[in-house]
Amino acid sequence: SAVISQKPSRDICQRGTSLTIQCQVDSQVTMMFWYRQQPGQSLTLIATANQGSEATYESGFVIDKFPISRPNLTFSTLTVSNMSPEDSSIYLCSVEGGAGEQYFGPGTRLTVT
Amino acid sequence: GNSVTQMEGPVTLSEEAFLTINCTYTATGYPSLFWYVQYPGEGLQLLLKATKADDKGSNKGFEATYRKETTSFHLEKGSVQVSDSAVYFCALRFSSGYSTLTFGKGTMLLVSP
Repeated sequence: SAVISQKPSRDICQRGTSLTIQCQVDSQVTMMFWYRQQPGQSLTLIATANQGSEATYESGFVIDKFPISRPNLTFSTLTVSNMSPEDSSIYLCSVEGGAGEQYFGPGTRLTVT
Repeated sequence: GNSVTQMEGPVTLSEEAFLTINCTYTATGYPSLFWYVQYPGEGLQLLLKATKADDKGSNKGFEATYRKETTSFHLEKGSVQVSDSAVYFCALRFSSGYSTLTFGKGTMLLVSP
């Protein structure tokens, strides 16, 4: 399994500002995934990030709101732009294992006031 | 499309009770199936998995058997502990091609001493 870290672990932000979340993996991986977990809800995939190509966004998520970078095989960032209180969620990154499973980071708890 | 249905929570049990959390799925073909656990304030951890029909995944006293005929993957544990209190997510994913994890809504388990 992979060891995944995220920064920051939590933040409280003002509406209209942006926050960049970092995800670091202890091994090289092809695909990294970003999820959102709204309070009391299940996980929703935001986008899939492959190194060296544009991220693939799921329905309902757009690059202008959630730009993603993937500069190398161990690192990715997700930016939550022009935040509103509805963006208050836990944001998790994950990587793929060998049998279709995914391993998750500890998450970033974002509160927008 | 693919979907996962879990029993509604919370499930409230006394320590040492028997646990069943039901999970059924809808999918075209034969996906891999997973149970993830999320302890309070933490990210998701892979609990167990099964990649083909009749496989039994097991970990930490938890078990689940991939039942193709009933499209189910129910989670069981013979004797729960207070430390098992968490939210449990059932999920599926196809291991070939571009495929994302599809999660159920999660089931909260509360175990009292």
